[in-house]
Amino acid sequence: IQMTQSPSSLSAVVGDRVTITCRASQSITTYLNWYQQKPGKAPKVLIYGASNLQSGVPSRFSGSGSGTDFTLTISGLQAEDFATYYCQQTYSVFNTFGQGTRLDIK
Amino acid sequence: QVELVESGGGVVQPGRSLRLSCAASGFAFSTYGMHWVRQAPGKGLEWVAFISYDGSDKNYGDSVKGRFIISRDNAKNTVFLEMNSMTVEDTAVYYCAKKATGWFGEFLDYWGQGTLVTVSS
Repeated sequence: IQMTQSPSSLSAVVGDRVTITCRASQSITTYLNWYQQKPGKAPKVLIYGASNLQSGVPSRFSGSGSGTDFTLTISGLQAEDFATYYCQQTYSVFNTFGQGTRLDIK
Repeated sequence: QVELVESGGGVVQPGRSLRLSCAASGFAFSTYGMHWVRQAPGKGLEWVAFISYDGSDKNYGDSVKGRFIISRDNAKNTVFLEMNSMTVEDTAVYYCAKKATGWFGEFLDYWGQGTLVTVSS
């Protein structure tokens, strides 16, 4: 299953509302997770099951979608949110990640 | 607290082998599946392999199938990745990660710090 994220990169300022999209090559129902990765660090899960917020993750992060189209929304960007974001499908036992979306400061 | 510590990375020549280890603590290791995920320099995440809680089920990504072997020792709370016939394309930071499973499917809830593998002559 191929996962395609868009955009590959985007620039924003603190306070912006940002949306990242992930599209699967076939239906994955809601078996879709979102991760955040900062330089030199391991990824950290933000959203699991398409729309469930992982414990400890700020509520400005939200996820939606089902089937083939999914979105990650960050409402009110904070300085610490500038990072790279990845989607991951776990519908297939052969998990796959999207290519990543780099979010940087405008 | 949950901790995953990878080791065994380093520089290896093309065609040679290397074995990575991931020592787990802070949770009931023998009841959780484990994954390996890698990241080539400046690139995105690539899923490598999965092993079920008891080692009975193993899955591999296409790029490593037939060359890499995942295994675990539940008595030592450790998961391994044996990498054979290595190529320069295997150069990456290798992460082990713990699988969380529920009605929502699964996700990777804890990750190690990663270990760098460089394949070079």
